[in-house]
Amino acid sequence: GQQVMQIPQYQHVQEGEDFTTYCNSSTTLSNIQWYKQRPGGHPVFLIQLVKSGEVKKQKRLTFQFGEAKKNSSLHITATQTTDVGTYFCAATRRNGGSQGNLIFGKGTKLSVKP
Amino acid sequence: SAVISQKPSRDICQRGTSLTIQCQVDSQVTMMFWYRQQPGQSLTLIATANQGSEATYESGFVIDKFPISRPNLTFSTLTVSNMSPEDSSIYLCSVRGQPNEKLFFGSGTQLSVL
Repeated sequence: GQQVMQIPQYQHVQEGEDFTTYCNSSTTLSNIQWYKQRPGGHPVFLIQLVKSGEVKKQKRLTFQFGEAKKNSSLHITATQTTDVGTYFCAATRRNGGSQGNLIFGKGTKLSVKP
Repeated sequence: SAVISQKPSRDICQRGTSLTIQCQVDSQVTMMFWYRQQPGQSLTLIATANQGSEATYESGFVIDKFPISRPNLTFSTLTVSNMSPEDSSIYLCSVRGQPNEKLFFGSGTQLSVL
């Protein structure tokens, strides 16, 4: 079935270092969403990318959607301890199941050493 | 945006019993979903709760084990039946206004089965 692969699974960085997580699909995606889940919390929506080659920024976070709409990345510049959590990408299921289903990547767990 | 109240927030249950989780939304929403998140893992969709009809279950999940109710556009319940330790997980309800909109999540129910 449709899958969204996300790497790395874990990333440990020193505060101030940059961080990137990647999401890949074997099929073209209509859109991709990114969520952040703090330890003990629930996933919270960060952003949605729709257009080929789209780049969006939220302060220190930069989100990219590949030209072929098969991959995406989230880059955090100069990480802070508040960035700790698990970052998930999610794509809308192309067919089958109920309309609007999201398929989540396995997530990248970010830890930041102060 | 949608505010979701999910309860209970956690429970410890005995093997063979059942637990019903409630999800209340502060506005009418078309799409309501139930996810499971095992410790340190990604989110797996259990089913889509349809108002006025039976829920649509994903592969590997069946109605007898996870009966779902959705009596109106603001409320749903998920029951985990005849529980075993393998059912220990976080269960999350989520809602979405339209197919390509973001998901809002409840705070989750952390279930431990002894």
